[in-house]
Amino acid sequence: AQTVTQSQPEMSVQEAETVTLSCTYDTSESDYYLFWYKQPPSRQMILVIRQEAYKQQNATENRFSVNFQKAAKSFSLKISDSQLGDAAMYFCAYRSADGGTSYGKLTFGQGTILTVHP
Amino acid sequence: DVKVTQSSRYLVKRTGEKVFLECVQDMDHENMFWYRQDPGLGLRLIYFSYDVKMKEKGDIPEGYSVSREKKERFSLILESASTNQTSMYLCASSLWDRERYGYTFGSGTRLTVV
Repeated sequence: AQTVTQSQPEMSVQEAETVTLSCTYDTSESDYYLFWYKQPPSRQMILVIRQEAYKQQNATENRFSVNFQKAAKSFSLKISDSQLGDAAMYFCAYRSADGGTSYGKLTFGQGTILTVHP
Repeated sequence: DVKVTQSSRYLVKRTGEKVFLECVQDMDHENMFWYRQDPGLGLRLIYFSYDVKMKEKGDIPEGYSVSREKKERFSLILESASTNQTSMYLCASSLWDRERYGYTFGSGTRLTVV
C-alpha cells in the first residue's frame, strides 16, 4: 500500500517570502499522480497543483511550484511571494495511475499548517 | 460552478444513535468517496463507490456503512455512533476517466458524538 508522509506539522513564513513544504511517499508503482491540496478555514479543499510521475518537468502554477524527485520519492511544494491568503492547511496526496483497481483513490499525508505573518 | 454538497456543516449526535451524512454532486461523476479528517492523521478513506449500488471498503470502514441508490448521492451511515467517531467528514467525487485530475470536495461535516 502507498503511504504519504508530511513531516512538518506546522510552518510559518513572512508575507512576500518563499516557503517550501515537504512531502515524501512510498510506492512500488512507476506511474502515478501527485497532488497538493489547500484547505483554508472555510474547509473547502482546493487543488493547488498536480504532477504526473512520467513527466520529468516540475509542475508550476503561478506562485506555486513543485520539486519532484522520483528516485527519492519526494514531492515538495514551493510557494513564492507568500500572501496572507495562502494561510491554510496543505495536504500532499498520491493517486495510482492504475484506474482499474484503484478507482482513483487518493492517499493523503498528515497535513502541514501554514501561517503567513504580515 | 460544479458542486459537491454535504447536507450539514455541524452535527451533534448522542452515543448509540444512527447517523446519516448525505452528499450530493451535480457533475455526473462516477466515483464518490467518504473520508474522515483528524488532526495529525490527515484524511483517511472510509468507503468509496464507483457506480450506483456499488461500494468498496477503504482503509477504515469499521463502524460505517454507505448507500448509493442514485448516481448523484452517496450517504455515509454510522450504525451506532460512538465518541471515537467524532471527526470531520469530507465527501468527494471524481470522473472515472480523468485519472490525472484530483477530486472535487464538499465543505465537510463536523460531527460531534456525545
